Amino acid sequence: GAVVSQHPSRVICKSGTSVKIECRSLDFQATTMFWYRQFPKQSLMLMATSNEGSKATYEQGVEKDKFLINHASLTLSTLTVTSAHPEDSSFYICSARGASGRRETQYFGPGTRLLVL
Amino acid sequence: GDSVTQMEGPVTLSEEAFLTINCTYTATGYPSLFWYVQYPGEGLQLLLKATKADDKGSNKGFEATYRKETTSFHLEKGSVQVSDSAVYFCALSTTGNQFYFGTGTSLTVIP
Repeated sequence: GAVVSQHPSRVICKSGTSVKIECRSLDFQATTMFWYRQFPKQSLMLMATSNEGSKATYEQGVEKDKFLINHASLTLSTLTVTSAHPEDSSFYICSARGASGRRETQYFGPGTRLLVL
Repeated sequence: GDSVTQMEGPVTLSEEAFLTINCTYTATGYPSLFWYVQYPGEGLQLLLKATKADDKGSNKGFEATYRKETTSFHLEKGSVQVSDSAVYFCALSTTGNQFYFGTGTSLTVIP
């Protein structure tokens, strides 16, 4: 079964509103979570890396004030798209990395499709 | 920097045809290599991986061999099915943290 979940799976919002996307690791504690963005017919681009309890590290060109990341616990990270605009419409995918037993594991979530009108 | 170059698609094959999707990489360290599959409307699923040179990853009839001498990790399947229609991503990771993905190859298998 899925070991990383995302909620919601789809969201449609009006321009100017904020949207929060949750990423949860279900069977393990995720010490590190990654947020990716995928434009139609393109590859995944890493947006930011977050470690539990510390500030996220953003990739070059990603606005940290627009894409707020909170990794408050070992099983939950949230991405908030603030004042969303149509150009923010995309597929957002999280990935969680941590130890399951003795093994280091990393899994991708199913993604959240955001459409900003 | 680290990067992955993947064969451009789209690829259309008849059922039971042989599939090859080329992938080459550039890495400063000793990367692990992956193939992920994305079915329509879904997220990424790990298809197979290889962690060192000459390793062969395999799953669901798909195979890929880690070739250090040619910096390649080509995906192959001897007989594709309609259910294999998806987008396939080659990826590498050197630190176990950041993944670098190829641009994806869309595969459509027709009956």
